[in-house]
Amino acid sequence: QKEVEQNSGPLSVPEGAIASLNCTYSDRGSQSFFWYRQYSGKSPELIMSIYSNGDKEDGRFTAQLNKASQYVSLLIRDSQPSDSATYLCAQGGGFKTIFGAGTRLFVKA
Amino acid sequence: EADIYQTPRYLVIGTGKKITLECSQTMGHDKMYWYQQDPGMELHLIHYSYGVNSTEKGDLSSESTVSRIRTEHFPLTLESARPSHTSQYLCASSEYLGDYEQYFGPGTRLTVT
Repeated sequence: QKEVEQNSGPLSVPEGAIASLNCTYSDRGSQSFFWYRQYSGKSPELIMSIYSNGDKEDGRFTAQLNKASQYVSLLIRDSQPSDSATYLCAQGGGFKTIFGAGTRLFVKA
Repeated sequence: EADIYQTPRYLVIGTGKKITLECSQTMGHDKMYWYQQDPGMELHLIHYSYGVNSTEKGDLSSESTVSRIRTEHFPLTLESARPSHTSQYLCASSEYLGDYEQYFGPGTRLTVT
């Protein structure tokens, strides 16, 4: 059973729209969550970390964590074609980080 | 932000050859990881290390081996390459204490013919 679940997509949004990516997890004890962006053929790049309930904003990105419902989301405002990538949700804590399979995002110009 | 390096970036090699994929990081991170990822597919953890002389197998069975003799260096070795080993290999590192954010190297794309 996977511990971090993501919709594989693809999620397609028009340029300038808000892209909403969601993730659920099973380990209630986890304290840290991450979003990575991975362009095709490249390695994952950390874009957001979140550790407490609520929202965390960084530029056009907002991460949201709801521990009671065990979900994490990533909002990308004013989506750009350059945001087209696979977004990996990850759950930290302990000695290993658990990665989801990723959601593919396409931003149409 | 971690500086983490992998060599070679691309490798094409024949079946039966022994290969070593290099990974080095300059941030003094105690934890290091090796992942295998096929195109468009999810990451699979194949090895990890908590520190010098510490190595563990990951979630995906692998015919590779690793060593950790120095903090900054975590090489992965395949004794006898096979076409089924064709994949992208990603190295990552993180601090032992803290938030477990992992930083990835650029990857090695391996093709075994």
